[in-house]
Amino acid sequence: DIQMTQSPSSLSASVGDRVTITCRASQGIRNYLAWFQQKPGKGPKSLIYGASSLQSGVPSKFSGSGFGTDFTLTINSLQTEDSATYYCQQYDSYPWTFGQGTKVEIK
Amino acid sequence: EVLLMESGGGLVKPGGSLRLSCTVSGFTFSSYSMIWVRQAPGKGLEWVSSISSSGNYMYYPDSLRGRFTISRDNAKNSVYLQMNSLRAEDTAVYYCAARSGETIEYWGQGTLVTVSS
Repeated sequence: DIQMTQSPSSLSASVGDRVTITCRASQGIRNYLAWFQQKPGKGPKSLIYGASSLQSGVPSKFSGSGFGTDFTLTINSLQTEDSATYYCQQYDSYPWTFGQGTKVEIK
Repeated sequence: EVLLMESGGGLVKPGGSLRLSCTVSGFTFSSYSMIWVRQAPGKGLEWVSSISSSGNYMYYPDSLRGRFTISRDNAKNSVYLQMNSLRAEDTAVYYCAARSGETIEYWGQGTLVTVSS
């Protein structure tokens, strides 16, 4: 199985900051990488697919990059509503696997 | 408005069975593959199963194959997850989601399954 490792596990940042979350795959997954946002008590929300394609309706403050084994999710101009846990997920091969999550808090 | 409504969760004893349903509206169900993802209390997301839009292809992780079965009824806009021989470690919120091409476009709000004696 492909292991997905996110870093950091949590972070605290101020309103207006730029935040970067990293996701590393244990083997190459081309660009078959998605990012999700999940707020407490809610279902996940899709943000990014294909490593860098923005899901319809998602604000352009979110962006993704990477190919192969190393990927990043960037959130520009952090706002209070961005407080959530973010997950990466590979869908290059079954079984699909998720990273352990990165909790983003607002200072 | 797009809606995915999971149902069928609840409390079940170890070794028991449960059938989850997810009924959707607001999009063309038969054009989407469907997915189940679960989340144990305080833990991360775990992929459980996927089924193609036609229902001809189903996928499971090795750890669940043989105990869990995914199916769908395109006439009823519904996808199901039959869960047998349930264990305490199957306790989780189960989410259904709809996928088109590469992207998971829609998610449900989840249904809680608790396996306990």
